[in-house]
Amino acid sequence: NAGVTQTPKFQVLKTGQSMTLQCAQDMNHNSMYWYRQDPGMGLRLIYYSASEGTTDKGEVPNGYNVSRLNKREFSLRLESAAPSQTSVYFCASSVLSAGGPSDTQYFGPGTRLTVL
Amino acid sequence: SQQGEEDPQALSIQEGENATMNCSYKTSINNLQWYRQNSGRGLVHLILIRSNEREKHSGRLRVTLDTSKKSSSLLITASRAADTASYFCATADTGRRALTFGSGTRLQVQP
Repeated sequence: NAGVTQTPKFQVLKTGQSMTLQCAQDMNHNSMYWYRQDPGMGLRLIYYSASEGTTDKGEVPNGYNVSRLNKREFSLRLESAAPSQTSVYFCASSVLSAGGPSDTQYFGPGTRLTVL
Repeated sequence: SQQGEEDPQALSIQEGENATMNCSYKTSINNLQWYRQNSGRGLVHLILIRSNEREKHSGRLRVTLDTSKKSSSLLITASRAADTASYFCATADTGRRALTFGSGTRLQVQP
């Protein structure tokens, strides 16, 4: 039982390049989330998927797109990377029963992205 | 925007002492959660307290919630060097299906 896994662990991009961050969970959770964490700050929500087939914007969605590929996998794509997107990206998942409030989230180890 | 704001931003104590961190928030919530983040790692869930609860314990952790003051505190008793980490509060806001995280308290426990 690996929990939440993320690939890659580290990535360096040049401005304008694109890339996809991968996330998978094996806990049969309904909901998945993408956050970014900048130095000395808390997490800011980029996008989330409350259930398979749905996605919603969070606080900072500009410059990103997501795909909920199936119940297990939720990917984050940067179409044209900018230096302002240099950050640590965390994926998380939770059970989140239908109509229920946000519950415990389980986090992956993060992807450290640098955009030059 | 940051819903939960932790206080203090940084805290340094000696092993064996108690550590108290506070969190304030602005809106109506369903629950409030505390997470720990070790340096360079992902967040780990510590404890969840529902809006109709006032206090909750888990091992050396004690969490209180005062919805009238929109505040919560996390107490770690008999701290250990291994407790060194950043601690974040997160609120499950009413009507919103995602958590809102605060900016965190960095705790340093000196051996």
